[in-house]
Amino acid sequence: GENVEQHPSTLSVQEGDSAVIKCTYSDSASNYFPWYKQELGKRPQLIIDIRSNVGEKKDQRIAVTLNKTAKHFSLHITETQPEDSAVYFCAASEGNAGGGADGLTFGKGTHLIIQP
Amino acid sequence: ETGVTQSPTHLIKTRGQQVTLRCSSQSGHNTVSWYQQALGQGPQFIFQYYREEENGRGNFPPRFSGLQFPNYSSELNVNALELDDSALYLCASSQFPGELFFGEGSRLTVL
Repeated sequence: GENVEQHPSTLSVQEGDSAVIKCTYSDSASNYFPWYKQELGKRPQLIIDIRSNVGEKKDQRIAVTLNKTAKHFSLHITETQPEDSAVYFCAASEGNAGGGADGLTFGKGTHLIIQP
Repeated sequence: ETGVTQSPTHLIKTRGQQVTLRCSSQSGHNTVSWYQQALGQGPQFIFQYYREEENGRGNFPPRFSGLQFPNYSSELNVNALELDDSALYLCASSQFPGELFFGEGSRLTVL
């Protein structure tokens, strides 16, 4: 089955700086890669996703890049703000956005801390 | 507000007992997925129900079972509880094959 590795486990950046979180996956059949943000005690929320036929996608301060050959994808957050502090999870699926028969395979998460 | 609601929010059980967790999907959604999130870990796929049928299953033993009802709400049942079953259980609904919308979860503690 799919295996997703996520680094770093904790990332501390100064407010206004950029943050980058990286993930690798093992199953070359995976074609959908979402990123979820989970604030303490809250539900995971989808913040951005990318499909394997696209190399990069951007939404305001957030961008995701995908390298299919190397089987890795990254989340980039620019001009970080205090409300960006949360745990971020990457995930992969060879099915649809809902995960399909094998579901979404998640990384272990990155705790992003924005220092004032 | 995503509209996915779960109950109960917290519960404590003892080893060997059985538990039922409930999930009401967001209006218009026909698919429900269940995930287990251990402390400090990412969610792990348990199973998915689409139109009342199990549509896929992760690496969980048969003592984890589920149901989806005609109104697309769902139940997760866990028999013979073990200490390692202590976790946050997340339900997510979607309009197949669209993105998942998660509920706030049910925090299960097994003593």
